[in-house]
Amino acid sequence: NAGVTQTPKFQVLKTGQSMTLQCAQDMNHEYMSWYRQDPGMGLRLIHYSVGAGITDQGEVPNGYNVSRSTTEDFPLRLLSAAPSQTSVYFCASSYSDRNGYTFGSGTRLTVV
Amino acid sequence: KNEVEQSPQNLTAQEGEFITINCSYSVGISALHWLQQHPGGGIVSLFMLSSGKKKHGRLIATINIQEKHSSLHITASHPRDSAVYICAVENDYKLSFGAGTTVTVRA
Repeated sequence: NAGVTQTPKFQVLKTGQSMTLQCAQDMNHEYMSWYRQDPGMGLRLIHYSVGAGITDQGEVPNGYNVSRSTTEDFPLRLLSAAPSQTSVYFCASSYSDRNGYTFGSGTRLTVV
Repeated sequence: KNEVEQSPQNLTAQEGEFITINCSYSVGISALHWLQQHPGGGIVSLFMLSSGKKKHGRLIATINIQEKHSSLHITASHPRDSAVYICAVENDYKLSFGAGTTVTVRA
């Protein structure tokens, strides 16, 4: 099915561990982005990409790294997990700035 | 102060009632989005607006660029409309989100 696929759906990490959250879309969307959702804070932009090879920081980029080697994939890397990174993470994609967004189903991450 | 303010924070309606959610923003934007998040957590895009009004089924979204204000209306509300509705403004491919409005529709 066409859409945005996020894996894993759930993850528990120990402080200091690293991991990669995967995001893939099969709609040939140029624009992809990562958000975190925290109670009382709403959704906040972490990193975004307007095309393969191009990435930029959002509102809360510290502790996260991204790359965009293909149009389809936009992985989010946690370099050294901290309890403050416990959150629900959403990936989204869009064809252009004139189209709506398609969101992945989310990854619930707990850092202990 | 958040760039995007939504009101009300919570709303309870009886089935069949007309519901209005408001969104005000303080920055220049290229577009405004209305999103729906169900209790299961998934987020669905309802509307993207840059001017005027859009309608989809029982949902209507309007935007007034001069007043920096948008409204989402739900006509003939139904319990399946119970969800969190989120307003987001877009500028240079970056989205800023409101805190969301939790809507509960009772049968």
